[in-house]
Amino acid sequence: ETGVTQTPRHLVMGMTNKKSLKCEQHLGHNAMYWYKQSAKKPLELMFVYNFKEQTENNSVPSRFSPECPNSSHLFLHLHTLQPEDSALYLCASSQIAARADTEAFFGQGTRLTVV
Amino acid sequence: QKEVEQNSGPLSVPEGAIASLNCTYSDRGSQSFFWYRQYSGKSPELIMSIYSNGDKEDGRFTAQLNKASQYVSLLIRDSQPSDSATYLCAVKWGGNNDMRFGAGTRLTVKP
Repeated sequence: ETGVTQTPRHLVMGMTNKKSLKCEQHLGHNAMYWYKQSAKKPLELMFVYNFKEQTENNSVPSRFSPECPNSSHLFLHLHTLQPEDSALYLCASSQIAARADTEAFFGQGTRLTVV
Repeated sequence: QKEVEQNSGPLSVPEGAIASLNCTYSDRGSQSFFWYRQYSGKSPELIMSIYSNGDKEDGRFTAQLNKASQYVSLLIRDSQPSDSATYLCAVKWGGNNDMRFGAGTRLTVKP
């Protein structure tokens, strides 16, 4: 496999469920991101990990819990979500450089529906 | 607050015309600028990146950056129906590798 792979592609969960989204990158990058994309809203940055260390938590509710065990894998653990959390969740990766001039590559996303 | 602003459109141009997409950003510390294209139901894909003031051309695409005005644009020449998509402007800051996106401009190219 190449690029950034996200699983599952689609997920339907109840508000009391616990589930996890998985992201894996095969690009040798050392920075990974979680974004949320809701209908008619900008891509919202949720979390940034640089060299497995979380460097950004963009005021995300605690019902979203990220985990980055190594530079190639990123998880988003979900529990007691709300219907308004239904969205496309996108994972991305990039290479950390001395300058910020490295683009992010996206996975195909997980379409999450909370019922 | 780091913000990226785009006109949400929709922007409609005839086939063969030039499409002009604009983006402004709030943080003067911004270092890198990117244009992504997103087809409906798909994830964003990179079209262009630009880091220095001026123009950067790649095929039918030209990115323009003016850091003094905090403005970046994308020109698409000889627009094709296959260019119909949402175009996302992204701005990156060096400190935390933080990359933020605008809301996107929806472009329709009519045959």
